[in-house]
Amino acid sequence: GEDVEQSLFLSVREGDSSVINCTYTDSSSTYLYWYKQEPGAGLQLLTYIFSNMDMKQDQRLTVLLNKKDKHLSLRIADTQTGDSAIYFCAGSNDYKLSFGAGTTVTVRA
Amino acid sequence: DAGVTQSPTHLIKTRGQQVTLRCSPISGHKSVSWYQQVLGQGPQFIFQYYEKEERGRGNFPDRFSARQFPNYSSELNVNALLLGDSALYLCASSLVGDRTGGYTFGSGTRLTVV
Repeated sequence: GEDVEQSLFLSVREGDSSVINCTYTDSSSTYLYWYKQEPGAGLQLLTYIFSNMDMKQDQRLTVLLNKKDKHLSLRIADTQTGDSAIYFCAGSNDYKLSFGAGTTVTVRA
Repeated sequence: DAGVTQSPTHLIKTRGQQVTLRCSPISGHKSVSWYQQVLGQGPQFIFQYYEKEERGRGNFPDRFSARQFPNYSSELNVNALLLGDSALYLCASSLVGDRTGGYTFGSGTRLTVV
């Protein structure tokens, strides 16, 4: 199975950039995802990257993938208070997602 | 268009009881997956169903079972509940073969076992 590891906490000032890091073990993951979870809610898909890509940009979100090091990162530009949440990276195989433990992002004024 | 809907939203059960959780996928999605999220952890895969057949099963005991109906909705059953089964149970639907859309999750059912 897949092991996915993330840093647990990140505190960032409003307006700054946030960078959330993730490492994974299963090189056969074809897609890698970032999900956001707000308190009491389900998971919201933010973005994804195909395993043969190095970078993907989607408005304020930039995903970087280093396949050699099996390292994935999510950069949020101009972080806002509404970005405070838990962020999960996940790798996929044919039928399941393997999640990290999540990074709690706190945005301070 | 309605998203993934789960019922009930909250549930309290006693140890040893049985529980059934329900999920309706997004219209047109034929695959439903179930995940367990214990407080402070990431979701853990339980089952995936596609066209009423089980495609995959995670590392969960036989007390956990599921099924998918002809309308693609699904039920997750847990027998002989333990305190450790207390968690948020998430359902996700997907178009099989369309992984770029990812898996769309419902808001979950919060199960508390006392």
